[in-house]
Amino acid sequence: AIHLTQSPSSLSASVGDRVTITCRASQGITSSLAWYQQKPGKAPNLLIYDASTLESGVPSRFSGSLSGTDFTLTISSLQPEDFATYFCQQFKSYPRFGGGTKVEIK
Amino acid sequence: EVQLVESGGGLGQPDRSLRLSCAASGFTFDNYAMHWVRQGPGKGLEWVSGISWNSGNIDYADSVKGRFTISRDNAKRSLYLQMNSLRAEDTALYYCVKDIGDTFYIFDYWGQGTLVTVSS
Repeated sequence: AIHLTQSPSSLSASVGDRVTITCRASQGITSSLAWYQQKPGKAPNLLIYDASTLESGVPSRFSGSLSGTDFTLTISSLQPEDFATYFCQQFKSYPRFGGGTKVEIK
Repeated sequence: EVQLVESGGGLGQPDRSLRLSCAASGFTFDNYAMHWVRQGPGKGLEWVSGISWNSGNIDYADSVKGRFTISRDNAKRSLYLQMNSLRAEDTALYYCVKDIGDTFYIFDYWGQGTLVTVSS
């Protein structure tokens, strides 16, 4: 099974900060990775798929990239509505999610 | 507007059964694969099962294989999950989820979830 290691598990940041979250796959998954945002009490929301394709309607401050087996979600300038938990998910084989990164207000 | 509305959750006893349903609207249901994804209390996300547009391709997570059965009725625009031999570890919020296409395993719309609690 392909496992995803997401880091950090939590972080504190301020509005306007640049935030980076990393997801490492246990084996090569080409670009078969998606990122989701989940706010408390709500269902997850698709942000990015195929490692770097922005889902329709998602603000351009969100971006995704790939380097080897390391995937990165970047929020270029954190906004108040971005405080949430972020999950990565691989779809190279049976879908599996990372453990999540909680972005909190500093 | 895409809407996915789950129902059927509740308290289930160990080794008993529950059946979840999901009513879909706002998109051409029989063009897309559908899935169930669950989230345990305070835990992460776990894909449970998926079904292709014509029910020709069905997959399950190892944790539920042999106990759960996914199905769909395209005429009724509905997705189902028959959950048998329930275990405590099946306790979770169960989301009905739309695939971005036919079994791409990219999840672009989610329902609000139905809570399943397994306890005696």
